[in-house]
Amino acid sequence: GEDVEQSLFLSVREGDSSVINCTYTDSSSTYLYWYKQEPGAGLQLLTYIFSNMDMKQDQRLTVLLNKKDKHLSLRIADTQTGDSAIYFCAERGLTGGGNKLTFGTGTQLKVEL
Amino acid sequence: DAGITQSPRHKVTETGTPVTLRCHQTENHRYMYWYRQDPGHGLRLIHYSYGVKDTDKGEVSDGYSVSRSKTEDFLLTLESATSSQTSVYFCAISESSGQTQYFGPGTRLLVL
Repeated sequence: GEDVEQSLFLSVREGDSSVINCTYTDSSSTYLYWYKQEPGAGLQLLTYIFSNMDMKQDQRLTVLLNKKDKHLSLRIADTQTGDSAIYFCAERGLTGGGNKLTFGTGTQLKVEL
Repeated sequence: DAGITQSPRHKVTETGTPVTLRCHQTENHRYMYWYRQDPGHGLRLIHYSYGVKDTDKGEVSDGYSVSRSKTEDFLLTLESATSSQTSVYFCAISESSGQTQYFGPGTRLLVL
């Protein structure tokens, strides 16, 4: 099946930029997503990018997509303690049906003072 | 936030007992999904529905069944719960285009 991989942990200082990386294998991916999960909560959709784009910016968030290398990244500028959470990358491919998403295992972001 | 609720939010049950989790939406979205979240695995799709009475299996469907008799409700049933089904279960919904999925708050299930 399709696979999405992320590093498990990232630690940054408050005010620095965070970059969370993701790689995927599905060459038919149409949309790629970033979700945020705070402790004890559900997943919150942060942003997504269509596969024919290479960059999307939304306030402090910048998504970069390298379709050739199947690499997606999420940059958070001026990282704050409230950004501490688990970040999930997900991709939606054309294989199968039902608009299904394949998720990575999540990256735990810890923001230190 | 999308109008998605899950019930119960927490449940403790014993091995071998049946368990039903409910997902309710107020968005009139066509697609509904059940995922489980386990450490080291991210979220894995159990079953999904693409309309009333229309359901299909996901990657980890063994031991689970679903039903959707109304647009707004999607039920997940563990016919005979096992300890390996201890997990956090999330429901999600998406509109017909399926461009984005929105998640409910989750149900923590502990099978003793």
